[in-house]
Amino acid sequence: DAGVIQSPRHEVTEMGQEVTLRCKPISGHDYLFWYRQTMMRGLELLIYFNNNVPIDDSGMPEDRFSAKMPNASFSTLKIQPSEPRDSAVYFCASSIGPYNEQFFGPGTRLTVL
Amino acid sequence: KNEVEQSPQNLTAQEGEFITINCSYSVGISALHWLQQHPGGGIVSLFMLSSGKKKHGRLIATINIQEKHSSLHITASHPRDSAVYICAVRSNYQLIWGAGTKLIIKP
Repeated sequence: DAGVIQSPRHEVTEMGQEVTLRCKPISGHDYLFWYRQTMMRGLELLIYFNNNVPIDDSGMPEDRFSAKMPNASFSTLKIQPSEPRDSAVYFCASSIGPYNEQFFGPGTRLTVL
Repeated sequence: KNEVEQSPQNLTAQEGEFITINCSYSVGISALHWLQQHPGGGIVSLFMLSSGKKKHGRLIATINIQEKHSSLHITASHPRDSAVYICAVRSNYQLIWGAGTKLIIKP
């Protein structure tokens, strides 16, 4: 298995632009998690899905952030409009159950100028 | 007070030394994770524990549920073990993260 796949690996954009981050979980994993990591706040859970349904989005910072999972093999995290304070590394992880080990993707390093 | 606290925050040691990283938590948990993040940024899950002890190669993780404490040990440490080690606890469907311990192993 290729593991969790994220794209792009790096994204540099200007303030106000729309950013879309993509994630392909490990096949057979029913849970998908989106995290954000910054120096100031460490790792934060943004949202997680179970069987493509969003379960807890309480970590999503504000309405500019949205996440979808149209099918079991694909999820997106969208920021519109982006702001410099959104600059961070965004990780996607998947697991077979809510209490099982999570496997992380390589992350997307986002820089908003 | 943070719900998950790790110590030390930073640790520098010589190659070959026995390393211990501690994690204390204040909430009821169903599981505890230890993860490793290398300087390149990738995150790797090392262990998930709900009781007792697990061993994988030179890594050992223990948890004491009564004392709400877990330790991660590295035997015969090597420079390639240099990374940030993160403790995270699963509580009420949330994953609560520690701030991480930055480990540097010098040759």
